[in-house]
Amino acid sequence: AQSVTQLGSHVSVSEGALVLLRCNYSSSVPPYLFWYVQYPNQGLQLLLKYTSAATLVKGINGFEAEFKKSETSFHLTKPSAHMSDAAEYFCAVSAGGSYIPTFGRGTSLIVHP
Amino acid sequence: NAGVTQTPKFQVLKTGQSMTLQCAQDMNHNSMYWYRQDPGMGLRLIYYSASEGTTDKGEVPNGYNVSRLNKREFSLRLESAAPSQTSVYFCASSVIGGDTGELFFGEGSRLTVL
Repeated sequence: AQSVTQLGSHVSVSEGALVLLRCNYSSSVPPYLFWYVQYPNQGLQLLLKYTSAATLVKGINGFEAEFKKSETSFHLTKPSAHMSDAAEYFCAVSAGGSYIPTFGRGTSLIVHP
Repeated sequence: NAGVTQTPKFQVLKTGQSMTLQCAQDMNHNSMYWYRQDPGMGLRLIYYSASEGTTDKGEVPNGYNVSRLNKREFSLRLESAAPSQTSVYFCASSVIGGDTGELFFGEGSRLTVL
């Protein structure tokens, strides 16, 4: 079985501040991990993915995430938030031949001027 | 490229009415999915189709049926709509369960059941 927990349904930061969105996963086998972003009234689009090639993964729009097996975590970071980063972010996991990803409940990122 | 196209984008139904949500992808993907999104619940899988000719239940299939019409199209039907089915519905596709399972999403269909 696989599952994902996103800590914090809402995260609020000031423009220019560090963004940290937390994701912990549960999987009995090596997982594939994803971060998706959803802008208002749009579908989800892939930000980045971990597929075991490298533990630090860089994605679009300056985001990156680090896979930490010992902590079963895949937190999303960005050094400096922009107003345009305001959106809903979803962490997802797929593993063990079950290629269908399981999504977390999402974290809404709010960016203040 | 259009990617994944869903119709309609908005729909209001009365309890007991039926309707079909349509989805088509132009990326030659094998697998297609229907999710619903509710506040605080994330995305929950309703049904999926691993390949043309096959469909399987996901986490929340009750009250829904699906048809994989061909490789491009995957429809979701509500036979007798209930207020609990008020939600945003997303169709997605992927190359195949695949080496990574990356999904490509449509823009969503917003359904209100009165």
